Amino acid sequence: EAQVTQNPRYLITVTGKKLTVTCSQNMNHEYMSWYRQDPGLGLRQIYYSMNVEVTDKGDVPEGYKVSRKEKRNFPLILESPSPNQTSLYFCASSPLAGAETQYFGPGTRLLVL
Amino acid sequence: KQEVTQIPAALSVPEGENLVLNCSFTDSAIYNLQWFRQDPGKGLTSLLLIQSSQREQTSGRLNASLDKSSGRSTLYIAASQPGDSATYLCAVVPGAQKLVFGQGTRLTINP
Repeated sequence: EAQVTQNPRYLITVTGKKLTVTCSQNMNHEYMSWYRQDPGLGLRQIYYSMNVEVTDKGDVPEGYKVSRKEKRNFPLILESPSPNQTSLYFCASSPLAGAETQYFGPGTRLLVL
Repeated sequence: KQEVTQIPAALSVPEGENLVLNCSFTDSAIYNLQWFRQDPGKGLTSLLLIQSSQREQTSGRLNASLDKSSGRSTLYIAASQPGDSATYLCAVVPGAQKLVFGQGTRLTINP
């Protein structure tokens, strides 16, 4: 089944404790991205990747890091999480950027205490 | 800066009605426009994608239209069913790198 998977689905952590949210797609897509969803602010892009080893900042990249060492994986790293990073995070992929339908993962709900 | 607005924020209708959800965007320079559905606790499911050169797309009971010149799109749902209850999100692609989302319309279909 073609899908985007994220792990973990739910996470409670404390300020400053490094964490990684994994994202994997099995559709051989070139393009992957991360979004966060917050009440009243909607979905906003954090980082995106056009291909392996090619990543760039989205609208809200502060406090996040990403890497794209393999085409299928695009982990999101929070080196020192803070309470303002409490949010619902979505990973997405598409065959090519822009003109193609994007496929979203199920989301990761993060609470930073 | 591209901004996307969806009106109304919430809508409740009885089962069987036809309904229209609205989306407006500020910059007509877009690659495409996509409509998504989001169910509580779940990810986003793509419903329809309209390329910038197209006027509309249809899938089953759903029809989406696009008027780039006026910065508007509508999602028409025919013969609504309780299973259609969800939040519907409109997103435009202003460049190759990202989607710009509206805040969504929370739709409730009452049996």
